[in-house]
Amino acid sequence: EDQVTQSPEALRLQEGESSSLNCSYTVSGLRGLFWYRQDPGKGPEFLFTLYSAGEEKEKERLKATLTKKESFLHITAPKPEDSATYLCAVTLSGGYNKLIFGAGTRLAVHP
Amino acid sequence: NAGVTQTPKFRVLKTGQSMTLLCAQDMNHEYMYWYRQDPGMGLRLIHYSVGEGTTAKGEVPDGYNVSRLKKQNFLLGLESAAPSQTSVYFCASSYTAWNTIYFGEGSWLTVV
Repeated sequence: EDQVTQSPEALRLQEGESSSLNCSYTVSGLRGLFWYRQDPGKGPEFLFTLYSAGEEKEKERLKATLTKKESFLHITAPKPEDSATYLCAVTLSGGYNKLIFGAGTRLAVHP
Repeated sequence: NAGVTQTPKFRVLKTGQSMTLLCAQDMNHEYMYWYRQDPGMGLRLIHYSVGEGTTAKGEVPDGYNVSRLKKQNFLLGLESAAPSQTSVYFCASSYTAWNTIYFGEGSWLTVV
């Protein structure tokens, strides 16, 4: 069964304390891996798409990487405004553009 | 620059009542989707459409119907609401099957 697992479920950081969020996947054929950010009461906001192992993408304090079995979202020197739930999702090769989501990681960055 | 717009944002229904959620996108996207989000379960696909006049079932389609009469609109209907349908509903769209999927702001539905 195609599955996406995110860890940890929740993460509390001090401002400036770098860390990584993990997204592991077990799928029949990966087309792409997506990272979204979701603020309370809002819809998911697109951050990155990764398509092949070894690929990396960066945006401000965020850097996403991809291996054959997992992806990491590295957060460097986070600020309180980085607090959100980060969602990982994969699309499968073949068929329609179905996104399979993980349950998310709730990140809280405290000053 | 509206993107994906959902209405209504909040609704309370009694068990057995019916309602329709409306989604509109102004990005000329072919693909549209309805997801539900429940605590601890992530987003799950209810129904989707690959173009005007088409619809298809996703992971959790039971109890819902959809229609795509116009390219820019995708309607989600609940014919007889049940408490298990209490959830946050998100509409999304993408240009093709392989492009990024963009989400609306969500519709909070409570069935009592």
